[in-house]
Amino acid sequence: AQSVTQPDIHITVSEGASLELRCNYSYGATPYLFWYVQSPGQGLQLLLKYFSGDTLVQGIKGFEAEFKRSQSSFNLRKPSVHWSDAAEYFCAVARRGGATNKLIFGTGTLLAVQP
Amino acid sequence: NAGVMQNPRHLVRRRGQEARLRCSPMKGHSHVYWYRQLPEEGLKFMVYLQKENIIDESGMPKERFSAEFPKEGPSILRIQQVVRGDSAAYFCASSQGFGAGVDEQYFGPGTRLTVT
Repeated sequence: AQSVTQPDIHITVSEGASLELRCNYSYGATPYLFWYVQSPGQGLQLLLKYFSGDTLVQGIKGFEAEFKRSQSSFNLRKPSVHWSDAAEYFCAVARRGGATNKLIFGTGTLLAVQP
Repeated sequence: NAGVMQNPRHLVRRRGQEARLRCSPMKGHSHVYWYRQLPEEGLKFMVYLQKENIIDESGMPKERFSAEFPKEGPSILRIQQVVRGDSAAYFCASSQGFGAGVDEQYFGPGTRLTVT
């Protein structure tokens, strides 16, 4: 069965420090890959997505993610975190060529930013 | 340029009552997805609809839950005879439909259902 693992439930970083959020997936073939951010009480906003091509993907708000096929990973990174980045981050996958584009989500990583 | 609209934002129901959650997709979008987020969990897919058709309901509980997306009007997620375990945030997402590659889904703000 397809699954997405985000091993870090909660991460705290200092403002200005670098950030890496981990995501691993289990899938029969390379899926479409996504990172979403959810602020408290809000819906989800798409940060970036990987479909094909360059394995380093640039997104909004200064985020990037790297797809590594050999590790089945799609880790999210940001070189310098801002206080406004405090939120919950979800990695998600969708099957290629399926009849639907339903997303399978990880359980999320809650990011806290210290001043 | 309205995004995906969901109402109500908060809904309180007593056990045994019915809950109706509405979702208006973005303009030009004809595909709707419903997801449920239980406390401290990620989002779980429930159902995927196109206008007047249910395409994939593999994530819907077998009883008490139903969804529709009529030709006119919003998509409705209906929960009959609610129980405490139905308390969750319900998110709707919409997309344009398949083009080259996968469709991007745009999420609404969610409806937070509390069953007392």
